Formats: sequence, C-alpha cells, structure tokens
Amino acid sequence: DVVMTQTPVSLSLAIGQPASISCKSSQSLLGTSGKTFLNWILQRPGQSPKRLIYQVSKLYSEVPDRFSGSGSETEFTLKISRVEAEDLGVYYCWQGTHFPLTFGSGTKLEIK
Amino acid sequence: EVQLVESGGGLVQPGRSLKLSCVASGFTFNNYWMTWIRQAPGKGLEWVASITNTGGSTYYPDSVKGRFTISRDNAKSTLYLQMNSLRSEDTATYYCTRDAFWGQGVMVTVSS
Repeated sequence: DVVMTQTPVSLSLAIGQPASISCKSSQSLLGTSGKTFLNWILQRPGQSPKRLIYQVSKLYSEVPDRFSGSGSETEFTLKISRVEAEDLGVYYCWQGTHFPLTFGSGTKLEIK
Repeated sequence: EVQLVESGGGLVQPGRSLKLSCVASGFTFNNYWMTWIRQAPGKGLEWVASITNTGGSTYYPDSVKGRFTISRDNAKSTLYLQMNSLRSEDTATYYCTRDAFWGQGVMVTVSS
C-alpha cells in the first residue's frame, strides 16, 4: 500500500501569513496514463471534506487562487499564500493512482 | 449542483448487518465511478470501496473485503454499501463520494 506522510501535524498561523504543507508518498504517484492522481481536500470543523486541488496542481473552480499545489513523483506541497479565517480545518492529501486509495494523516490549521 | 445524500446509518450490534444508501443528483450518475470513504470518530479518512460506472467492477481494501459489498442502481441514481459481520472498528461516519464531491456522511456505530 502507498503510505502518505503529511507534515506538519499542525499549524498555527495569523491571518495573512503563508502556509505550506508537505505530503510524501512511499512510491511514485505517476500513473500509466501519464497523470499523477494526488489530491488535496479540506475538512472544516463539523463538516464533510471539500475538494481543493486535483492532479497535483489543478484548482477546482470554486477554490480561491491563494491556494496552490506543486510537486511530482513522491513529493508534493500545498501552499496558501495568505491564510484567511475560513481556511481553518484539517487538510488531507490523498492518492488515487494505486489501489488501495490512501490518505495522509492530516494537517490541522489553526488561526491565531 | 451535485448532491449526494446518504442514509441507513445507526446503531448495530457486532456481527450484524447494515445497508447504506446514497442518492445522487445533479449529474449523470451512470457516467461516474463512485466510492465510499469512512472516518472513525476523531480519526483520519479510510477508503472503503469503489465501483465502476457500469457496476461491472468493484474494489475493496483488505480491511473490508469479503464483508462489505458496494453496488449501484443506475436507474435510481443510487449507490449502496452492504455491510456484513460488522465489527467495533467499523464504527465511523461513512461518506459517499464522486470524484471530488462528498456527501454529508452517515454515522454507523457498532456496539453491543
């Protein structure tokens, strides 16, 4: 199984500060299609997860452009250029290249 | 607007069965693979099962293989998860998902 390792476990940032979350996979997520199925989601307190980014760096239409994703093969990063209050919650990376689908353990973002 | 509405959760004794349903709307159901993902209380996310758009193929992690069955009725735009031989470790909120869309989740508690 592909192990997804997320760091840090938690972040405490003031509004306006940048954020960076790392996600590393135990094997390459580059699929035979040439696509890399690495995704990011956000789970706000008491809510179901919401989509953020797919295929490493593609933002869904409703996601603000202060979010960005980058990386390749086994190392990936989610960045928030300037944190806003609505960004609090737990961020998960997950991979859809290999079965079983696997998730990172999450990074909790708190607002100071 | 894509909507996924789960139902069928509740309290069940160990060893018993439960069937979850997910009614989909806002998209052409039979064009998409569907997936169940679960989250134990206070824990991270775990993939439970996936099914192709036609229902012809299904996929499971070892933790539920042989106990859980995913199925779909494309005429009713409904996804199902039949859960047999339930264990305390199956206690979780179960989410119905399509690509990056998530339902609100349904709670399953396995306890005597």
